[in-house]
Amino acid sequence: DIVLTQSPATLSLSPGDTATLSCRASQTINHFVNWYHQKPGQAPRLLIYDASKRATGIPARFSGSRSGTDFTLTISSLEPEDFAMYYCQQRTSWPPITFGQGTRLEIK
Amino acid sequence: QVHLVESGGGVVQPGGSLRLSCATSGFYFPTQGMHWVRQAPGKGLEWVAFINYDGRKIYYADSVKGRVTISRDDSKNTLFLVMNSLTTDDSATYYCARDSNIETAIFDSWGQGTLVTVSS
Repeated sequence: DIVLTQSPATLSLSPGDTATLSCRASQTINHFVNWYHQKPGQAPRLLIYDASKRATGIPARFSGSRSGTDFTLTISSLEPEDFAMYYCQQRTSWPPITFGQGTRLEIK
Repeated sequence: QVHLVESGGGVVQPGGSLRLSCATSGFYFPTQGMHWVRQAPGKGLEWVAFINYDGRKIYYADSVKGRVTISRDDSKNTLFLVMNSLTTDDSATYYCARDSNIETAIFDSWGQGTLVTVSS
């Protein structure tokens, strides 16, 4: 199975900052990585699919990129509602579909 | 507007069974692949099962294979998950999630989840 490793586990930033979240795959998975965020008590929400495509209704401050097996989610000009858990997920080789363990983005 | 509403969760003893349902609206269910994803309390996301639009392709995570059955009733726009031989490791919030197309493994809409607690 493909293992996704997210870093850091926790990221402490202030509103207005830029957040950089990483997701590394255990093997080549092309560009088939999706990103979700999850606020406490809520369901996850799709942000980015296929490494860099924004989902419907997602603001332009969210962007994704890929370099080999490393994937990055960048959130510019953090808004208060952006502080949440973030998960990456791969769909290159499934089943199984696998998720990273998550990064908690918290207010500093 | 896409709407997914799970139900059927609750407290069940180890070894017991449950049937979860996911009622859908706002899109044409018969042409959509669907998934179940779970999240243990305080933990990350774990994909559980997938069923394609016509029910002929079904996949399960190894952790539930042989104990879980995913199915769909297109006449009722509803997705199901029957879980047997439950253990404490199955305690989680179970989400149904819509595939963005037939079989993309992109979860573009999620329900609010239903909580399953396996405890004696």
